[in-house]
Amino acid sequence: KAGVTQTPRYLIKTRGQQVTLSCSPISGHRSVSWYQQTPGQGLQFLFEYFSETQRNKGNFPGRFSGRQFSNSRSEMNVSTLELGDSALYLCASSLVTDYTGYTFGSGTRLTVV
Amino acid sequence: DQQVKQNSPSLSVQEGRISILNCDYTNSMFDYFLWYKKYPAEGPTFLISISSIKDKNEDGRFTVFLNKSAKHLSLHIVPSQPGDSAVYFCAASEIGGATNKLIFGTGTLLAVQP
Repeated sequence: KAGVTQTPRYLIKTRGQQVTLSCSPISGHRSVSWYQQTPGQGLQFLFEYFSETQRNKGNFPGRFSGRQFSNSRSEMNVSTLELGDSALYLCASSLVTDYTGYTFGSGTRLTVV
Repeated sequence: DQQVKQNSPSLSVQEGRISILNCDYTNSMFDYFLWYKKYPAEGPTFLISISSIKDKNEDGRFTVFLNKSAKHLSLHIVPSQPGDSAVYFCAASEIGGATNKLIFGTGTLLAVQP
């Protein structure tokens, strides 16, 4: 079966701009979670969506937002980009709460200049 | 506040020997622990997990040990192979968590030397 697809793979943006990242989960998976990976910080939880509803949110400023569509595809948006937002953004999908089925995409590498 | 800690940023092991990766946590509400492996330019892949009601779980060459009193878990890889070279993340989830939220450590880079 197709895995979790994240687009684009790489992105370069200028400080102050906004960016939208996309995640298509595995077919049938209704839960999509987003994580930010930076060197030395591991993976930091951003938010999780289930059936178009945000179920949980991490400790990130309001500039980070997301949404989920009826087909379970999810987008995350970062507004007013800062240099510190440069990171690998990963999304993961699962059926419900089954961590063994928690499949990550390859991520979007965002560079803010 | 880092609730899940991997204090060794890197580890080098000879092929065929045992690799031991360690992880400590501070939140006593964590009840489920996982290990993920990550290669460069790829997303993390699930490796093995353990529930807090167990102290050991084994899957082939991989064994995870949990010491709840010490809030410590470890991943043993025996025998280590060059293909095991990757970054390993420890992750934890809270009791009664109704959402898929995992708390990750900062990762340990394992290098298995041929």
